[in-house]
Amino acid sequence: AQKVTQAQTEISVVEKEDVTLDCVYETRDTTYYLFWYKQPPSGELVFLIRRNSFDEQNEISGRYSWNFQKSTSSFNFTITASQVVDSAVYFCALSPNFGNEKLTFGTGTRLTIIP
Amino acid sequence: AAGVIQSPRHLIKEKRETATLKCYPIPRHDTVYWYQQGPGQDPQFLISFYEKMQSDKGSIPDRFSAQQFSDYHSELNMSSLELGDSALYFCASSISQGAADTQYFGPGTRLTVL
Repeated sequence: AQKVTQAQTEISVVEKEDVTLDCVYETRDTTYYLFWYKQPPSGELVFLIRRNSFDEQNEISGRYSWNFQKSTSSFNFTITASQVVDSAVYFCALSPNFGNEKLTFGTGTRLTIIP
Repeated sequence: AAGVIQSPRHLIKEKRETATLKCYPIPRHDTVYWYQQGPGQDPQFLISFYEKMQSDKGSIPDRFSAQQFSDYHSELNMSSLELGDSALYFCASSISQGAADTQYFGPGTRLTVL
């Protein structure tokens, strides 16, 4: 069975601060994919990033960066110089390395950026 | 770029009524997924279709059924609605590439059962 844990239920930071969202996963699959999705107050789910289990290279995209560590089963997400528009619920998700497989989501972290 | 389209965006029903939710995937996407998100919860997988055949099934109640049509759009049919069915229902689509595919979500249908 697969499981994703996001221990941080809610985080509040002042604008321009950096913030890291934690994600820990469990799976018996040797190959798998990890995802981050953003759900702003408007409700839609926005895809942010996908990484496979063979690629532990960290990734940076603008103010966003991701740290994947297979040894600790973690896939953390950092926002640098946070902005009010970053306020949202962020979900980490896991999928086996096969096509057409369901996503298993964590319970989400509600991030509030205080102006 | 075209996104996943869901209709209606909002739906209000009475208990024991039926509801039909529609999903139009991104063009050329061959797989459709349905998820249910209760208030303050994470999305839960209901069912998926690949090339018009059911590919996986999650915790979908027997009162619910779904199908994917020849034009790849999908419909989720919900009967004997209960108060607990009130939720945000997402449809997602992906294009099969032989490995875990990125699922792109629609804006969701907010169902309220009174």
